[in-house]
Amino acid sequence: EVQLVESGGNLVKPGGSLRLSCAASGFPFSRASMNWVRQAPGKGLEWVGRIKSKSDGGTADYAALVKGRFTISRDDSNNTVFLQMHGLETEDTALYYCTTGAADYWGQGTLLTVSS
Amino acid sequence: DIVMTQTPLSSPVTLGQPASISCRSSQSLVHSDGNTYLSWLQQRPGQPPRLLIYKISNRFSGVPDRFSGSGAGTDFTLKISRVEAEDVGVYYCVQGTQFPRTFGQGTKVEIK
Repeated sequence: EVQLVESGGNLVKPGGSLRLSCAASGFPFSRASMNWVRQAPGKGLEWVGRIKSKSDGGTADYAALVKGRFTISRDDSNNTVFLQMHGLETEDTALYYCTTGAADYWGQGTLLTVSS
Repeated sequence: DIVMTQTPLSSPVTLGQPASISCRSSQSLVHSDGNTYLSWLQQRPGQPPRLLIYKISNRFSGVPDRFSGSGAGTDFTLKISRVEAEDVGVYYCVQGTQFPRTFGQGTKVEIK
């Protein structure tokens, strides 16, 4: 059974940093690209970025709104993908989901609140 | 960026009746590999999204056959043949043809 479990969400002040994690199981993680998608309270879905598998180059792509502030990385030995966030803004407040490459599986999400 | 536009944004439906949601993209979703990466997601209240349909018309594992997808190029449709109570939620189309991935605004399906 595929499982994605996000963690690390918290209350952070504007300008602060935070790292989210997503632990994956039930599929060949090292061969999968992984996405982060966020959902602001009461709003729709917004793609944040994705990281390719190492065999596909391991590079990451980002949405314009987060490029330069957010970094996606992966640890294939622990089946985990990370979202490192810097320069957080109140507009980054959202439930952050990790998903498999084709959005076929989703975690339950972890909540980031950016507020002073 | 490809803009995805869904209509309607709200769809009150009688139980047992059909429902239809349209999704239009600002440019063709046909990928250079010949596939069209248009998916539909369902988000029930308080739940994460769930994949229903991928590559226009392929039902994901465990999705009931009352859900069907169709379309081509820039115009796509999700149909529910007979709405059940468990179908209440918000439905999103999403394109996977080009980065950045983009979602429709969402269509809320509710029971009349």
